[in-house]
Amino acid sequence: DGGITQSPKYLFRKEGQNVTLSCEQNLNHDAMYWYRQDPGQGLRLIYYSQIVNDFQKGDIAEGYSVSREKKESFPLTVTSAQKNPTAFYLCASSNRGYTGELFFGEGSRLTVL
Amino acid sequence: AQKITQTQPGMFVQEKEAVTLDCTYDTSDPSYGLFWYKQPSSGEMIFLIYQGSYDQQNATEGRYSLNFQKARKSANLVISASQLGDSAMYFCAMRGNTGANSKLTFGKGITLSVRP
Repeated sequence: DGGITQSPKYLFRKEGQNVTLSCEQNLNHDAMYWYRQDPGQGLRLIYYSQIVNDFQKGDIAEGYSVSREKKESFPLTVTSAQKNPTAFYLCASSNRGYTGELFFGEGSRLTVL
Repeated sequence: AQKITQTQPGMFVQEKEAVTLDCTYDTSDPSYGLFWYKQPSSGEMIFLIYQGSYDQQNATEGRYSLNFQKARKSANLVISASQLGDSAMYFCAMRGNTGANSKLTFGKGITLSVRP
């Protein structure tokens, strides 16, 4: 079945460690996105990519990094520079243009101990 | 820049009744899309309905309809015949057609609770 797969679903890390969240899609979508959600809050955009080998910062990119080497994959690294990384992270993909809805993965919940 | 505003802090509705969730937006793009998503407690984001800025008619999808008033820049979601499973957080979102506006921008969401 077509869809978006995020892993891991739950992740714990110690302060000072980098961690990479995986996002893979088999929908043949050009655009991919990473959002962060804090409890009881809306989604805030971290990074997005509209084409392979290109990506742009979203509203809260500081302390995060991404790569887009393949169309299907858009991993997110939460670096030690991110001061408050505990959150729910959602990856999404879509066709380009304003008419296409985003398809979301099931999310990754990161907890910093 | 584009902006979505959802100001209702939480909504309650009796089972089988209709409910309206408010959403206003602002954008400089002449072409844009408006979306509603549902997020149950499990965390997944479920796409509900889409309205294009040039669509002449209000969008409908089963029990969901979108009351689109372009001049007022509002895109309210109407859920008819509420069910207990409708209890969730609901997000309004929009995408423009140019540059940075092509990303999907979300409102802060509205919590809906359906009472039996």
